[in-house]
Amino acid sequence: IAGITQAPTSQILAAGRRMTLRCTQDMRHNAMYWYRQDLGLGLRLIHYSNTAGTTGKGEVPDGYSVSRANTDDFPLTLASAVPSQTSVYFCASSARGTGSTDTQYFGPGTRLTVL
Amino acid sequence: QQQVKQSPQSLIVQKGGISIINCAYENTAFDYFPWYQQFPGKGPALLIAIRPDVSEKKEGRFTISFNKSAKQFSLHIMDSQPGDSATYFCAASWSGSARQLTFGSGTQLTVLP
Repeated sequence: IAGITQAPTSQILAAGRRMTLRCTQDMRHNAMYWYRQDLGLGLRLIHYSNTAGTTGKGEVPDGYSVSRANTDDFPLTLASAVPSQTSVYFCASSARGTGSTDTQYFGPGTRLTVL
Repeated sequence: QQQVKQSPQSLIVQKGGISIINCAYENTAFDYFPWYQQFPGKGPALLIAIRPDVSEKKEGRFTISFNKSAKQFSLHIMDSQPGDSATYFCAASWSGSARQLTFGSGTQLTVLP
């Protein structure tokens, strides 16, 4: 059982380009999340999904979009990347919806550099 | 606006010593306080969590102390080991925010052998 897989592991991207970060979980968890991690700021929630077919905005959603077509996949898209989106991106999941205190399990992360 | 303030930013402790990381929060509605541990190149993993109905929770060498009146909580690592060297994040959530976790800024702990 892999848990959560993220792809790519790292990416260097030119500003203005479109990029999709992939996230897949095999735990059949209902809720999934995208965070960005920046030094000195901790982890900040970008978007979340309570269940397949629904999404919600987190603390820093601008410039990002997500979709949740099925239970397992939760891709994060940067429509037109900017240098301030340089960060490490983590996908996470939890068994029940976002109204619970279920443990969030994190993937290994994607390191994105926007030049 | 950082609703959970964490200190220190970095901490160096000798093997066998006690590591203490502190967090303070502003939102009195917070009612769930987890700590996450992150090793280099890995995602964070839940270490221990507490609710405000208790003042302390202990799991092995890890203890959370909680002071509701001061709106502070701390992680104590007893008998610190080099394998504990990692970044530690405190976090908080409440039901009104759909249980979204608000994280502190992180503490990089180094335990010297």
